[in-house]
Amino acid sequence: NAGVTQTPKFRILKIGQSMTLQCTQDMNHNYMYWYRQDPGMGLKLIYYSVGAGITDKGEVPNGYNVSRSTTEDFPLRLELAAPSQTSVYFCASNPPGWGGRGNTEAFFGQGTRLTVV
Amino acid sequence: GNSVTQMEGPVTLSEEAFLTINCTYTATGYPSLFWYVQYPGEGLQLLLKATKADDKGSNKGFEATYRKETTSFHLEKGSVQVSDSAVYFCALVIRMDSSYKLIFGSGTRLLVRP
Repeated sequence: NAGVTQTPKFRILKIGQSMTLQCTQDMNHNYMYWYRQDPGMGLKLIYYSVGAGITDKGEVPNGYNVSRSTTEDFPLRLELAAPSQTSVYFCASNPPGWGGRGNTEAFFGQGTRLTVV
Repeated sequence: GNSVTQMEGPVTLSEEAFLTINCTYTATGYPSLFWYVQYPGEGLQLLLKATKADDKGSNKGFEATYRKETTSFHLEKGSVQVSDSAVYFCALVIRMDSSYKLIFGSGTRLLVRP
């Protein structure tokens, strides 16, 4: 059971570089999310998706882009890395649940630790 | 807006002590409420949940009751163990526009000493 898989686990970027954080889930979940977790802080929602072809902004979308061409994949793109984007990034997914209420367990990946120098 | 507020940590307890971690929420409508736990170096995993008022979620000795009148979902455990040391997140799912969002509190770190 793979669940939610994130790659890479660690990455160091220089200011201005770009990269894509990969997220794949094999549970056929409609909902997928990207969060960032800054040291000693909670999770902030960057982007989310309710299904293939549909994405929407969360609390802190600036500096990021996403796409959802398939149910399984939800990559997060950083175009011009900045030190403020140093964080741990978590991808999560969950099915819509009974009646589509979204009140089901969310499954998280192991996280990607990104440092921008 | 919709938000979750948790007590600040760290919470430091001795083994077998009683644990309470406070969580209150602000939401339009009727959210579902969750507690997630994050062990060091890992992602979050569901601890328990409650989907309607007066429901009690429970798992691994932890409990939380959905209190609509006080908009709270406090986490409790009668006797903590060293292995319970982790960060605990309160969260809610709320309908926004035509979809649902999962919103987290800031997390409370629990440290249990032998």
